[in-house]
Amino acid sequence: DAGITQSPRHKVTETGTPVTLRCHQTENHRYMYWYRQDPGHGLRLIHYSYGVKDTDKGEVSDGYSVSRSKTEDFLLTLESATSSQTSVYFCAISSSGGAQDTQYFGPGTRLTVL
Amino acid sequence: QQPVQSPQAVILREGEDAVINCSSSKALYSVHWYRQKHGEAPVFLMILLKGGEQKGHDKISASFNEKKQQSSLYLTASQLSYSGTYFCGTESGSGGGADGLTFGKGTHLIIQP
Repeated sequence: DAGITQSPRHKVTETGTPVTLRCHQTENHRYMYWYRQDPGHGLRLIHYSYGVKDTDKGEVSDGYSVSRSKTEDFLLTLESATSSQTSVYFCAISSSGGAQDTQYFGPGTRLTVL
Repeated sequence: QQPVQSPQAVILREGEDAVINCSSSKALYSVHWYRQKHGEAPVFLMILLKGGEQKGHDKISASFNEKKQQSSLYLTASQLSYSGTYFCGTESGSGGGADGLTFGKGTHLIIQP
């Protein structure tokens, strides 16, 4: 199994509060991704990173920001959480990022915004 | 654009076969298949690249028809452990990018004894 951890694993917060989710990898992979998973929508890409301090937006990036100051850590921040951001968040990593490269997923974080 | 998976759900008896399809309106470079059990992370099954190759692993195999922009996942003689939700993830363009995968909404597979 790929060495990927996510923290926290579960979080309940209130509307309007900031939230930061952490993804940590021990594989030294260059590429890291944040997805959200909602019933009826599958997995949707929020942001991704192709190196330290190199990030870009995905399909559903509004309301989210990311940072990557070290190869092993990729942070996802909800500046002001809303109920629509209640979801399960998955981090994924891949070594080269190419179309033939496997993405490995972390265990996920279940976030509830009240 | 999100690929379309069919069927949305299927219920089988142990030992029966299943086919799950993944279609896209965009030209595809690769198709990635994952299986996810309830409350767990998606687990990688296989990747198929442009070129129409077919892959297999034990009793699970897949094909990729680039002309139709379609991939199919075949589960032969299904086992109880095959139950879960299957997702296809697609990558369009030249294949040199690393901007993540676009996933279908998933196919729920239930295997009954």
